[in-house]
Amino acid sequence: EIVLTQSPATLSLSPGERATLSCGASQSVSSSYLAWYQQKPGLAPRLLIYDASSRATGIPDRFSGSGSGTDFTLTISRLEPEDFAVYYCQQYGSSPYTFGQGTKLEIK
Amino acid sequence: QVQLVQSGAEVKKPGASVKVSCKASGYTFTSYYMHWVRQAPGQGLEWMGIINPSGGSTSYAQKLQGRVTMTRDTSTSTVYMELSSLRSEDTAVYYCAREDCSGGSCYPLGFDPWGQGTLVTVSS
Repeated sequence: EIVLTQSPATLSLSPGERATLSCGASQSVSSSYLAWYQQKPGLAPRLLIYDASSRATGIPDRFSGSGSGTDFTLTISRLEPEDFAVYYCQQYGSSPYTFGQGTKLEIK
Repeated sequence: QVQLVQSGAEVKKPGASVKVSCKASGYTFTSYYMHWVRQAPGQGLEWMGIINPSGGSTSYAQKLQGRVTMTRDTSTSTVYMELSSLRSEDTAVYYCAREDCSGGSCYPLGFDPWGQGTLVTVSS
């Protein structure tokens, strides 16, 4: 089973700042099948990034993903008020399709 | 539009079973795998398993083997997740999520969309 470790657990930033979230895998993620999801309280997760760096339909270009192998990053270039939420990474290259424990992005 | 609509909240006693449904619309039901993911209160996301709506084949998370069963009804474009021998640790929101894909070989594109979630509470 591939274990995903996200850091930091909590990130406190202000609107307009740049956010950098990390996701490390215990073994290489095949074919960069790595996704990022955003979840707001009381709602289902929403797909932001797939294939490590491809934005899902309708996702603003301030969200970008990068990385390969075992190290991945989600960057939000300039935070908007609606971006404060919990973010999860997930690998879907091999079963079980594991998730990271999440990073909470909170307003400073 | 592509949509997944789940059944309503459930309250069950320890030892009982629960069956959650997820009705798909807006796409060809048998062309996309469906997953189930759960989230305990205040916790992260846990993958439970996958079903191929075309043939009905399944694969489950090891920790749930023997307690979880995923089925589908192609006539109503609905998938089901049944969890038996419920315990308090099974209290969670349960989500279905479609594995999106593209092209003839169905190249995977992550989980999109998700159902709205079904809260299952296990309490005596």
